[in-house]
Amino acid sequence: DVKVTQSSRYLVKRTGEKVFLECVQDMDHENMFWYRQDPGLGLRLIYFSYDVKMKEKGDIPEGYSVSREKKERFSLILESASTNQTSMYLCASSRANEKLFFGSGTQLSVL
Amino acid sequence: AQSVTQLGSHVSVSEGALVLLRCNYSSSVPPYLFWYVQYPNQGLQLLLKYTSAATLVKGINGFEAEFKKSETSFHLTKPSAHMSDAAEYFCAVSVNTDKLIFGTGTRLQVFP
Repeated sequence: DVKVTQSSRYLVKRTGEKVFLECVQDMDHENMFWYRQDPGLGLRLIYFSYDVKMKEKGDIPEGYSVSREKKERFSLILESASTNQTSMYLCASSRANEKLFFGSGTQLSVL
Repeated sequence: AQSVTQLGSHVSVSEGALVLLRCNYSSSVPPYLFWYVQYPNQGLQLLLKYTSAATLVKGINGFEAEFKKSETSFHLTKPSAHMSDAAEYFCAVSVNTDKLIFGTGTRLQVFP
């Protein structure tokens, strides 16, 4: 069965901390994505990657960066966490022009 | 620029009743359109997608959606709701099926 695994289901961090959210897929997919999900706002694309060491900004990249050193792993980095980054973070992967597979999400709380 | 608008953040139906979730899109090029479903504490999964073939698209779990260019709509329907359909539903648009733009979601409640 296809699998997109996000390292933590719940995460609590303090303002100013550097935060790493990890995502691993076992389907050899080229594409990987990071979204954040907020009530009333739906899903908004933060960053995506079409290949190893490649990244592109989505619609709301400010305050975030990403790393893709290996094909199966796509990390989202909050350089200095702020309270407005409290959210549900969803990772997804896909082959080119095929459907997205989503992880179960990481609920991040920044205090 | 592309966007989708989902009318109604919450929809409630009785078990056995028709489900209608509304989605309107905006796109300067022929769009690809999708419906995804999110069950509690899970990620999203694809229900169905329109990629310029048949305008009536059938998906999983008895759902279907009709692409209407004249109305710029892609509404999701199911003839008879089941309790297990309770979830949040997202409409999405894309120019190339890879980078999706999602709507704000509609939470479906099903009452016995």
